[in-house]
Amino acid sequence: KQEVTQIPAALSVPEGENLVLNCSFTDSAIYNLQWFRQDPGKGLTSLLLIQSSQREQTSGRLNASLDKSSGRSTLYIAASQPGDSATYLCAVYLASGKSTFGDGTTLTVKP
Amino acid sequence: SAVISQKPSRDICQRGTSLTIQCQVDSQVTMMFWYRQQPGQSLTLIATANQGSEATYESGFVIDKFPISRPNLTFSTLTVSNMSPEDSSIYLCSVEGPIAGAGLLYFGPGTRLLVL
Repeated sequence: KQEVTQIPAALSVPEGENLVLNCSFTDSAIYNLQWFRQDPGKGLTSLLLIQSSQREQTSGRLNASLDKSSGRSTLYIAASQPGDSATYLCAVYLASGKSTFGDGTTLTVKP
Repeated sequence: SAVISQKPSRDICQRGTSLTIQCQVDSQVTMMFWYRQQPGQSLTLIATANQGSEATYESGFVIDKFPISRPNLTFSTLTVSNMSPEDSSIYLCSVEGPIAGAGLLYFGPGTRLLVL
């Protein structure tokens, strides 16, 4: 059974700092990995999708990497801003069509 | 990208009653998913709904408790039946798009349910 773990569970940083969020998964037979952002009480917003054949994806200040063989992905946020404060979730998508989500990392960026 | 709306956005219900949540997508999609997010927890898949067939439920979820309809390629409903306080959660509708099988998921804004 696929298990997805996100470390740390919570992170607080001062504005402007670069940071890394981690996601690990137990079964490397994934189709892709997707990073989401969730604001309190809201739905999920897709940030980046990395296909299993890719190593990384970039969007603005965000960079996501994937090392499928070791079962790891990282989300790098450059020059963090208070507006980045949210919970970040990673999800692995299997060929069966199902996704497994991690528990998320709650990020607080202090002005 | 797919734009998804859900109704209601939130509700407070009495135990023993039922609530039907609607999910509308702005484009035709093959697969729609219903997730539950209990307070402080991550997402758990309830069921997968494909148009023209019965929904497929995940372990721990049954049709009598969470009946699902999928009348066409842009709409689905999830009913939470005979509610108890343990059903208090955010319920999220999700679709896969724009290419079936690509695994790119989009989510609706969620329905926040509180059962008293």
